[in-house]
Amino acid sequence: NAGVTQTPKFQVLKTGQSMTLQCAQDMNHEYMSWYRQDPGMGLRLIHYSVGAGITDQGEVPNGYNVSRSTTEDFPLRLLSAAPSQTSVYFCASSYSSQGWDTEAFFGQGTRLTVV
Amino acid sequence: GQQVMQIPQYQHVQEGEDFTTYCNSSTTLSNIQWYKQRPGGHPVFLIQLVKSGEVKKQKRLTFQFGEAKKNSPLHITATQTTDVGTYFCAGQSGRFGAGTRLTVKP
Repeated sequence: NAGVTQTPKFQVLKTGQSMTLQCAQDMNHEYMSWYRQDPGMGLRLIHYSVGAGITDQGEVPNGYNVSRSTTEDFPLRLLSAAPSQTSVYFCASSYSSQGWDTEAFFGQGTRLTVV
Repeated sequence: GQQVMQIPQYQHVQEGEDFTTYCNSSTTLSNIQWYKQRPGGHPVFLIQLVKSGEVKKQKRLTFQFGEAKKNSPLHITATQTTDVGTYFCAGQSGRFGAGTRLTVKP
């Protein structure tokens, strides 16, 4: 099993550009989520999904879109990148559709810089 | 909504000293999870606590869940350089604390 795979690992964008961060898991997990990590602010929940076809907003959803067409994939789209979106992004998955009552597995992260 | 707070934000210890980080929630939690993130790495699950007053141990790490299920201390006995990293707690809504960054001087 590969676990949770994120691509790319690094990305530099210009302000206003759009891009998609990819996340895939091969553990047949129902719950998937996206976090951003900024210095001193821990991990903040952007969007999450409790199963294919279902998504919901987290703490900081503005400027991001998600979709969940399959159990395996949960891409995060930045519609018009802003410097405030410079951050490290982590995707996580867990077995339970309730989310945080079973162990969560994190991807390796995507380091995004918006100039 | 649920808020999870951690203190301290940073802790620097001499190798062999003990270390404690505290996780506090504004609301009663159904469970709490702890994760460790090494520098440059990703968060890795350590443990989950569910029951009021629960205590779990992993070698030199002791995890507790308060009686009111609103707080959870993590205690490390006799720290080693391998303990370096940031320790996060998370409540059942997937909300994380800001983390406690531990550095250890050999």
